[in-house]
Amino acid sequence: DAGVTQSPTHLIKTRGQQVTLRCSPISGHKSVSWYQQVLGQGPQFIFQYYEKEERGRGNFPDRFSARQFPNYSSELNVNALLLGDSALYLCASSQEPGTSGGEETQYFGPGTRLLVL
Amino acid sequence: AQKVTQAQTEISVVEKEDVTLDCVYETRDTTYYLFWYKQPPSGELVFLIRRNSFDEQNEISGRYSWNFQKSTSSFNFTITASQVVDSAVYFCALYTGTYKYIFGTGTRLKVLA
Repeated sequence: DAGVTQSPTHLIKTRGQQVTLRCSPISGHKSVSWYQQVLGQGPQFIFQYYEKEERGRGNFPDRFSARQFPNYSSELNVNALLLGDSALYLCASSQEPGTSGGEETQYFGPGTRLLVL
Repeated sequence: AQKVTQAQTEISVVEKEDVTLDCVYETRDTTYYLFWYKQPPSGELVFLIRRNSFDEQNEISGRYSWNFQKSTSSFNFTITASQVVDSAVYFCALYTGTYKYIFGTGTRLKVLA
């Protein structure tokens, strides 16, 4: 079975531009989460979507937005890019959120490396 | 507050040595999960182990073993007979049934041949 896929793998943008990152979850997984990982740090939670509804949002500005499609794939959009947005953006999928049975275990994709110049 | 602390920033060992990675967590929730992930240079986080708060039984899986102690809020991870391929950054994470994982800052493990 295919794992979580993300596109593109690398991206270079300039300040003020907008970017869209894409994620396809593992087949059968209905929840997608997005994380930002700055060099040398652990991943920081941005969004979680389940059944196309936003379930949670981390401490990120409104320049960050996301959505989930009927096929459970997801997009992360970042507007008005800043130099500080340069990071590895990770997408994770799980069967469903919760605290039972292991369905909440998140499996991560390879990430998109975004460089803002 | 919920927090995960990995005090070891970087560890270097010689191949075949055993190495333990430390993780201390904070949460007031009684139900939670703890995870270890491995991040090789490629960047993808690879799931290694999941433990729930009601299962303190420690486990050995091949060269990996885990020591979960609620009394000290620790969830340590040991690699026996380390190999060069074990070189990576290892993250401990906490999930309390909300919607996000809380990660530590990671421990970079270097296994030297």
